[in-house]
Amino acid sequence: QSVVTQSPSVSGAPGEKVTISCSGQISNIGDNYVDWYQQLPGTAPKLLIYSDTQRSSGVPDRFSASKSDTSASLAISGLRSEDEGDYYCATWDHSLSGLYVFGTGTKVTVL
Amino acid sequence: QQQLQESGPRLVKPSETLSLTCSVSGASISGQEYFWGWIRQPPGKGFEWMGSFYYDGTTYYKPSLQSRVSISAEAAKNQFSLRLTSVTAADTAVYYCAKHAGAAAGHPLDLWGQGVLVTVSS
Repeated sequence: QSVVTQSPSVSGAPGEKVTISCSGQISNIGDNYVDWYQQLPGTAPKLLIYSDTQRSSGVPDRFSASKSDTSASLAISGLRSEDEGDYYCATWDHSLSGLYVFGTGTKVTVL
Repeated sequence: QQQLQESGPRLVKPSETLSLTCSVSGASISGQEYFWGWIRQPPGKGFEWMGSFYYDGTTYYKPSLQSRVSISAEAAKNQFSLRLTSVTAADTAVYYCAKHAGAAAGHPLDLWGQGVLVTVSS
């Protein structure tokens, strides 16, 4: 089980805003950048956000992220049907010998 | 255009060794620009980072897998490989190779292969 936890699921109607939370520890989120990945059904994951708040090339500004202490969040505003999928936060953890750790994942459902 | 492609056996017997290769195009695994890694996703579950390596031989492995996993590179073919020994059904997963965005294993994974489902079964 991951040391970085996320809300299991969120849902919203088209056009609404949803927020996904990601909670960790000092050794991971507290001391390192957070990245966010989007996995649409049946596809490989795609880097959505890196370095806490930076959108990857081509990612619409409907996606935004923030971080505070040992928690991070991803917001999707103007929710669209094509946003339905799984979202994962991830970060480096400098405990032990170091490892890249993924959050538990959040399923976004567009009602 | 950078691309990654996984290849290898889709079915492995329990207690045997899982071996996969990632073929890289559009970037060099021998360059000093990037770390390269392997990630897996059991059916219906989340992602598990397995390990990453750099051209100079620097390698990081997930501690809980360290006794069973190894990542190696074949620079001449611009490929890198994953070996996981003593597999069990719990190792059944989609295996992805990926590129880190920079020269550190903590950099985000900005390019992924399409993934390959490996099933462990007799």
